[in-house]
Amino acid sequence: DTEVTQTPKHLVMGMTNKKSLKCEQHMGHRAMYWYKQKAKKPPELMFVYSYEKLSINESVPSRFSPECPNSSLLNLHLHALQPEDSALYLCASRTLGGNTEAFFGQGTRLTVV
Amino acid sequence: EDKVVQSPLSLVVHEGDTVTLNCSYEVTNFRSLLWYKQEKKAPTFLFMLTSSGIEKKSGRLSSILDKKELFSILNITATQTGDSAVYLCAVGPDYGQNFVFGPGTRLSVLP
Repeated sequence: DTEVTQTPKHLVMGMTNKKSLKCEQHMGHRAMYWYKQKAKKPPELMFVYSYEKLSINESVPSRFSPECPNSSLLNLHLHALQPEDSALYLCASRTLGGNTEAFFGQGTRLTVV
Repeated sequence: EDKVVQSPLSLVVHEGDTVTLNCSYEVTNFRSLLWYKQEKKAPTFLFMLTSSGIEKKSGRLSSILDKKELFSILNITATQTGDSAVYLCAVGPDYGQNFVFGPGTRLSVLP
């Protein structure tokens, strides 16, 4: 299994809603990432988890709250988002140690209305 | 601050043409350079380069790294419409496990 699975694929939410994005991998990868990608821009790092511990938070607003409940799962909890948060949210994972590539999920296309 | 630059940003060719995409970088601690292809959603991995001068090849795609001049090229020969995508170059991971992405080259292959 070489897949990173993200759910949902599409999400429309209001500015007062609370929702969660989910990411799952069964490759034994111990680094997991959340990236945000706006149209015609490269992926922009939000969070990195290493061994289920948050190792990087790229000054992301607190309305985004990551969670890594175990080595296979990564969540991104969303609350009180703004329309400018509309983007493609990509999850990625990789093996820690050495030079290894990151595997990306298909992403969640989020629209905040 | 780590930086990755790609050129051209956009390219339109016809089927059968050969294209060369460029990636240059300035990073504090270089570990590897990666090429990804992004069509609609997920970037898909193409190559990882760690050593200078060793060409990596997969079908019509090939890539090489020059660590002295700090750049890499991605070549695509006999392009097909299915090669239309954004090609992303990234360097990393750094000690924080991050990959720094370039802006991407948007390739359009016309029939």
